[in-house]
Amino acid sequence: DQQVKQNSPSLSVQEGRISILNCDYTNSMFDYFLWYKKYPAEGPTFLISISSIKDKNEDGRFTVFLNKSAKHLSLHIVPSQPGDSAVYFCAAIARENDYKLSFGAGTTVTVRA
Amino acid sequence: DAGVTQSPTHLIKTRGQQVTLRCSPKSGHDTVSWYQQALGQGPQFIFQYYEEEERQRGNFPDRFSGHQFPNYSSELNVNALLLGDSALYLCASSLGGRRSDTQYFGPGTRLTVL
Repeated sequence: DQQVKQNSPSLSVQEGRISILNCDYTNSMFDYFLWYKKYPAEGPTFLISISSIKDKNEDGRFTVFLNKSAKHLSLHIVPSQPGDSAVYFCAAIARENDYKLSFGAGTTVTVRA
Repeated sequence: DAGVTQSPTHLIKTRGQQVTLRCSPKSGHDTVSWYQQALGQGPQFIFQYYEEEERQRGNFPDRFSGHQFPNYSSELNVNALLLGDSALYLCASSLGGRRSDTQYFGPGTRLTVL
């Protein structure tokens, strides 16, 4: 029962351009969403999060957008840099009655020079 | 600021053996969660420990057990290892006294079962 889905397994983008990563979820109880970045042989690193009471959150080059009615969120990286090449995971949690994070399968981003 | 640490980094076991993985949470955190990440998949929740008790458990068999110590560090034990237990095991820490939001992950332990 995959409640969080990242339907694009990979994304290739030119350095300096925008990277857009998408994530869909099915559980309407999810009220907090996170993006993690993972390099090979390392654990996931927290990037940015958004509460369900907001529709946008920015942190430097990273912006997360949440569309609750569509059960969809996206991560924008502008401008993309070579160091952004990694696997990006979308995660969600229903804080009212849950403690666990539910993850998508990840999107591998490759930033071309 | 000490982050989440895990040991060992890599481990090779054979089917039927038992394994213990260890985790020290980020400084100031009191809650530890364990996740299993199979190749090509996202992390799957195993269980969470808070105040030395298992607070929530994911869909994993009883072969998977854990413990949290008074200093908040934690162990994950897996008995009767199967080939399918080969994965990256991730520990995440957070503040559990309130409805915690962000979990911070360690580098993981790569377990290979032969």
